[in-house]
Amino acid sequence: DIQMTQSPSTLSASVGDRVTITCRASQSISIWLAWYQQKPGKAPKLLIYKASSLESGVPSRFSGSGSGTEFTLTISSLQPDDFATYYCQQYDSYWTFGQGTKVEIK
Amino acid sequence: EVQLVESGGGLVQPGGSLRLSCAASGFTFSSDDMHWVRRATGKGLEWVSAITSAGDTYYAGSLKGRFTVSRENAKNSLYLQMNSLRVEDTAVYYCTRKRGYGYAFDYWGQGTLVTVSS
Repeated sequence: DIQMTQSPSTLSASVGDRVTITCRASQSISIWLAWYQQKPGKAPKLLIYKASSLESGVPSRFSGSGSGTEFTLTISSLQPDDFATYYCQQYDSYWTFGQGTKVEIK
Repeated sequence: EVQLVESGGGLVQPGGSLRLSCAASGFTFSSDDMHWVRRATGKGLEWVSAITSAGDTYYAGSLKGRFTVSRENAKNSLYLQMNSLRVEDTAVYYCTRKRGYGYAFDYWGQGTLVTVSS
């Protein structure tokens, strides 16, 4: 089974900050990685697929990069609506989520 | 507009069974792979099961044998039959659509809560 490890688990940041979340796969997954945002009581929302492709309607301040085993999600300028939990997901072999990164207000 | 609406959650005793349903609309249901994902309180997302447009099924290793996924294309519906339920199966269960080869889960339902407790 492919394991996904996100870091950090919690991130404290201020509005306007540049935020980076890292996701590591236990084996190469090429570019088959997605990022999701989830807010309390809501369904997850797809942000990025194929490691760096921005889902339609998602603000351009979100970007993804990486391939193989190392991936990053970057929010270029954190907005109030961005405080949430973020998950990476591999879909190279079956489907596995990372444990999540909670972005909190500093 | 794509909509996924889950139902069937509730309180069940350990060892019991429950059948979740997901009603889909706004897209050609028969053409897309469908998945179930769950989130236990205080924990992260966990992939549960998948059924392809061709009817092939996949399960998380820890659940195989207890859960059964199925679909009824004529009714635009996805199902998850859950047997021998355990306390650790308590979670919000989401149905979600996988949009074609190389894409991820682009539409999600609002979720249905399953509570396994005596």
